[in-house]
Amino acid sequence: GESVGLHLPTLSVQEGDNSIINCAYSNSASDYFIWYKQESGKGPQFIIDIRSNMDKRQGQRVTVLLNKTVKHLSLQIAATQPGDSAVYFCAENLSGTYKYIFGTGTRLKVLA
Amino acid sequence: DTEVTQTPKHLVMGMTNKKSLKCEQHMGHRAMYWYKQKAKKPPELMFVYSYEKLSINESVPSRFSPECPNSSLLNLHLHALQPEDSALYLCASSQGGGVSRNEKLFFGSGTQLSVL
Repeated sequence: GESVGLHLPTLSVQEGDNSIINCAYSNSASDYFIWYKQESGKGPQFIIDIRSNMDKRQGQRVTVLLNKTVKHLSLQIAATQPGDSAVYFCAENLSGTYKYIFGTGTRLKVLA
Repeated sequence: DTEVTQTPKHLVMGMTNKKSLKCEQHMGHRAMYWYKQKAKKPPELMFVYSYEKLSINESVPSRFSPECPNSSLLNLHLHALQPEDSALYLCASSQGGGVSRNEKLFFGSGTQLSVL
C-alpha cells in the first residue's frame, strides 16, 4: 500500500505484482514529461518519456499514462522486481524552455 | 558514451572556503544543467547553459557561480557557503537546440557537499 506524510511517500508492493506510481504536475504549459528512477547515491536515471500529444506510451515493462485534463501522470511497472526498488520522480518540461521541474517523488519498496 | 561525469563525488568545506564542482560530458550535448537535491526531496533547478551561454538562473544566491568554459564542461564555483547549502549537486545535459526542447536529461551521479 501507499503511505504519505512528512517523509517521502512510499509504495510497498510484492515482488511479481504490478506497481502504479502517480504524479500530479503543476503547469498547463508543460508539454513533455519524463519519469526518472533514482537509486541511493546515484543520479536520476531516465525510464520513459511522453509528449503532450499522446496519452499513453509503453516501454519494456513500463507504461506511462498522461491525463492532461486533470494534470496527472502515472507510471505502471509490470511484474515488479527487487531491482525496481528506488525513488521515482516525474519531471515536466515547460514548453519551449529548458526548465524541467521535478515532482515530489515516490519511494518504491519491493517485498520478497 | 552516454555518461555525465561529476567530480569530486564527495566534498567537505568550511564556510570560508572556495571550491569548485566539475561536470563533463562527451555526448555532443549543447545544454547543461545544475540541480540541487536535499535528502528525500526532488532535484531543484539552479542554472541552465545553452551553447555555453547562461540561459536560466533560478534566483540562485551569488555564492554559487556557474561557468561553462566549453561545450563539454560545466563548473560550479562555491564561495562562502552556509551549512544549509549542504546537499547533493547534480549535473545534467541534454541535446540542446530545437524550438520544442522536449529533451531527455542525462544526469551524473552528483557531488555530495557538506558545509561545516
